[in-house]
Amino acid sequence: AQKVTQAQTEISVVEKEDVTLDCVYETRDTTYYLFWYKQPPSGELVFLIRRNSFDEQNEISGRYSWNFQKSTSSFNFTITASQVVDSAVYFCALGKSGSARQLTFGSGTQLTVLP
Amino acid sequence: DADVTQTPRNRITKTGKRIMLECSQTKGHDRMYWYRQDPGLGLRLIYYSFDVKDINKGEISDGYSVSRQAQAKFSLSLESAIPNQTALYFCATSDSNRRQASSYEQYFGPGTRLTVT
Repeated sequence: AQKVTQAQTEISVVEKEDVTLDCVYETRDTTYYLFWYKQPPSGELVFLIRRNSFDEQNEISGRYSWNFQKSTSSFNFTITASQVVDSAVYFCALGKSGSARQLTFGSGTQLTVLP
Repeated sequence: DADVTQTPRNRITKTGKRIMLECSQTKGHDRMYWYRQDPGLGLRLIYYSFDVKDINKGEISDGYSVSRQAQAKFSLSLESAIPNQTALYFCATSDSNRRQASSYEQYFGPGTRLTVT
């Protein structure tokens, strides 16, 4: 069975601080996909990134960076110089290989960035 | 216009009532999904559909039914609503014809907030 754990339920930081959101996953698949989604206060879910299990390169996109480590089954998300607009719930998700293309979501981390 | 739309956006209903949530998409994707979101539980899959003739149960299908009326439309029904079905419901789509990795990406509608009293 697949499982995604986001142990941090809520994080609060002051603007301009760096913050890392943790994601640990469990799967028996050798090929799988990992995702991060953002849910701002308005409620919609916004796709941020996809990472393939065979590509452990870290990725940086502006103030966002992702650290994928298969050895520890982790896919952590760091926001550098956080801003108030980063306040949202962030979900990590695991894609199961096979035709179903199902996603298993973590419980989410509520990030609050204080001015 | 939004690629994935959901109606209604908010709904309050009484226990025992039948209610339908609708989802439409203009992305041309073949796959559609219904999730519910509860505080502290993330999103859980209710049903998913590969195409009009292929519908599958997800993790928590009890108490729900779905209909794929066309490739672009996927509706979720609660035959007899109960209070613990109060949640935020999301529809999502994906395109199985894309390159494999990209075919896992799901695109979500704005959500329907359902309250059962």
